[in-house]
Amino acid sequence: DAGVIQSPRHEVTEMGQEVTLRCKPISGHNSLFWYRQTMMRGLELLIYFNNNVPIDDSGMPEDRFSAKMPNASFSTLKIQPSEPRDSAVYFCASSLAADYNEQFFGPGTRLTVL
Amino acid sequence: LAKTTQPISMDSYEGQEVNITCSHNNIATNDYITWYQQFPSQGPRFIIQGYKTKVTNEVASLFIPADRKSSTLSLPRVSLSDTAVYYCLAGDSNYQLIWGAGTKLIIKP
Repeated sequence: DAGVIQSPRHEVTEMGQEVTLRCKPISGHNSLFWYRQTMMRGLELLIYFNNNVPIDDSGMPEDRFSAKMPNASFSTLKIQPSEPRDSAVYFCASSLAADYNEQFFGPGTRLTVL
Repeated sequence: LAKTTQPISMDSYEGQEVNITCSHNNIATNDYITWYQQFPSQGPRFIIQGYKTKVTNEVASLFIPADRKSSTLSLPRVSLSDTAVYYCLAGDSNYQLIWGAGTKLIIKP
C-alpha cells in the first residue's frame, strides 16, 4: 500500500481565498483524522471520521473550516476564506476503526496564507 | 479535562538508554497509551502502545504503572538517527484523543 496520500504537498495562497486539502486514507482503514501542526500550538486534532461519519469535530477552529468524507477513500478539508493565521502543516491520518490509537500519517500539506 | 504533559526537550548520547515520561491524568480506563515519533518534514510515526505494565517491541519499551497516570517510553542504546520529537497520546474519559506537546530529543555523538 502507498500509505496515506495527501495533496497538494505545498500550497501558497492569498488571504480570502478558498483552500481545499485532499486525503486518501489507507485502503481498509475505517477512521480518518485531520490535524494541524504549528510551532506555537503543536499538533491539534481538528476532526475525525469513523466509517465516513464525522465523530468529533470539536477541534475545528471556526466556521471557516469544513471537512467532508464522501466515501471511504477520500476526504477534504476546506478553509473558506483563508487567513494568515491558518498557515500550518495539515496532516491527514487513518487507522483501523478498532485501533484508532495506531494512526498512520500522511506526509502533510504545508499551507502558507499570505 | 484530561491533559498529557511531557518534557519539552531532552538530550543524550549515542549508546545510552533514554527514558521519556508522559503524565496523563483522567485518561479513559479502557484506553491505550500510544507513543509516536516525528522527524522534520514528516508526519508522526507510531512507535508503541500499551495498556498497563510493560510492552516491548523491536524499537522501544513502554512502562505503565498500575494507576496509569503516567507512562515512560524507553529507547535502548540510542543513535543519532533517534533525534526526533516524541509524542504521547491517550484518550480521555470522554473518548477524545489527547496529544502531548512533544519532547524534542537530541542525541549527541
